[in-house]
Amino acid sequence: DTGVSQNPRHKITKRGQNVTFRCDPISEHNRLYWYRQTLGQGPEFLTYFQNEAQLEKSRLLSDRFSAERPKGSFSTLEIQRTEQGDSAMYLCASSHRGEYNEQFFGPGTRLTVL
Amino acid sequence: AQKVTQAQTEISVVEKEDVTLDCVYETRDTTYYLFWYKQPPSGELVFLIRRNSFDEQNEISGRYSWNFQKSTSSFNFTITASQVVDSAVYFCALSEGVTGGGNKLTFGTGTQLKVEL
Repeated sequence: DTGVSQNPRHKITKRGQNVTFRCDPISEHNRLYWYRQTLGQGPEFLTYFQNEAQLEKSRLLSDRFSAERPKGSFSTLEIQRTEQGDSAMYLCASSHRGEYNEQFFGPGTRLTVL
Repeated sequence: AQKVTQAQTEISVVEKEDVTLDCVYETRDTTYYLFWYKQPPSGELVFLIRRNSFDEQNEISGRYSWNFQKSTSSFNFTITASQVVDSAVYFCALSEGVTGGGNKLTFGTGTQLKVEL
């Protein structure tokens, strides 16, 4: 029974570069979420997908951020022209649609922007 | 807007002590869900419990118990006879029940629990 997986686990990049993260949800889950967590804080919602449709985006998600979920399976989160303030842990979670909507989280991708 | 407050930033206890982690929430919805997650040093959030707003019955699972009180908008978490392996950051989270919505989670800032020998 595989859980949510994320790649890469760590990414170090220089300011101004583009980065892309991947999330593979639990196979039967049709909802997929992205969160961002900075040091000493709880995760903050960024966006979510139901199947391939991106249904909600947080105001935290500036136009430098884009997320996709082609075919309703894995998802990618791309950050263009990275800034030092983008340094954080990016968490992916998935869940079943329905009343029992606990989200299962992946290990996260830690981004460091130099 | 929904909000979760975990006023305790850090708690240190000696093994076998009982410890209670506080969580206070704000929401305008009458239908909502409350959650607790554990984040050990490895970093991966682990789901512990879900409660819906219509079920105020307290729950016990082994050494863990949860006290949900709508009158005070609180959902507190107690660990009985704490162990070193309980050391982690614990997050309380809220999801509003939105028809057709995505049930995004709003997290508190977490409580760092340190259990020492």
